[in-house]
Amino acid sequence: AQTVTQSQPEMSVQEAETVTLSCTYDTSENNYYLFWYKQPPSRQMILVIRQEAYKQQNATENRFSVNFQKAAKSFSLKISDSQLGDTAMYFCAFKNSGNTPLVFGKGTRLSVIA
Amino acid sequence: ETGVTQSPTHLIKTRGQQVTLRCSSQSGHNTVSWYQQALGQGPQFIFQYYREEENGRGNFPPRFSGLQFPNYSSELNVNALELDDSALYLCASSLVAGDHNEQFFGPGTRLTVL
Repeated sequence: AQTVTQSQPEMSVQEAETVTLSCTYDTSENNYYLFWYKQPPSRQMILVIRQEAYKQQNATENRFSVNFQKAAKSFSLKISDSQLGDTAMYFCAFKNSGNTPLVFGKGTRLSVIA
Repeated sequence: ETGVTQSPTHLIKTRGQQVTLRCSSQSGHNTVSWYQQALGQGPQFIFQYYREEENGRGNFPPRFSGLQFPNYSSELNVNALELDDSALYLCASSLVAGDHNEQFFGPGTRLTVL
């Protein structure tokens, strides 16, 4: 079974600084997808960024980028120029190809400090 | 915000009771997945419905059951409630077209079992 590990329960960063959230996963599959989801306090979970395992190029979405190391099974999220609105729980998630469910890590609570 | 809605927002029940949670999927989506998110944890997959049929189930007992209707909305039913069923219940809708099947989450129903 696939597992996702987020080793940082809580992190904080100063506004405008850069922070990196860690995620490792375990799978024997070769074709899969990785995601970072953001869950703000009392608000809906939304997708931040997605990476296809077959793509070597790291995904980027504005201030958000990933460092995908397939051999190491590592998938970290870098947030640049952190903003107060980035304060949230961040979940790393894994998904096999096809119509399969997401497997989530336990999350990292990120606080952006003014 | 995503186009996925859930009702009710909050619910308080006592042990042994039964509960029904509802989810309206985003327009055009034919798949609904349900997740249980205990306090301080990542979401855990309960089951998924595709075109009114159960299409995958996580490690949850049979007292967790569901339905999907012709309009692709869905219900989660939990019988014989236990204290450990207290959690945020999330539904996510997706369209089975393409491999990554991005899931869009609703705001969740907070269930408290006393």
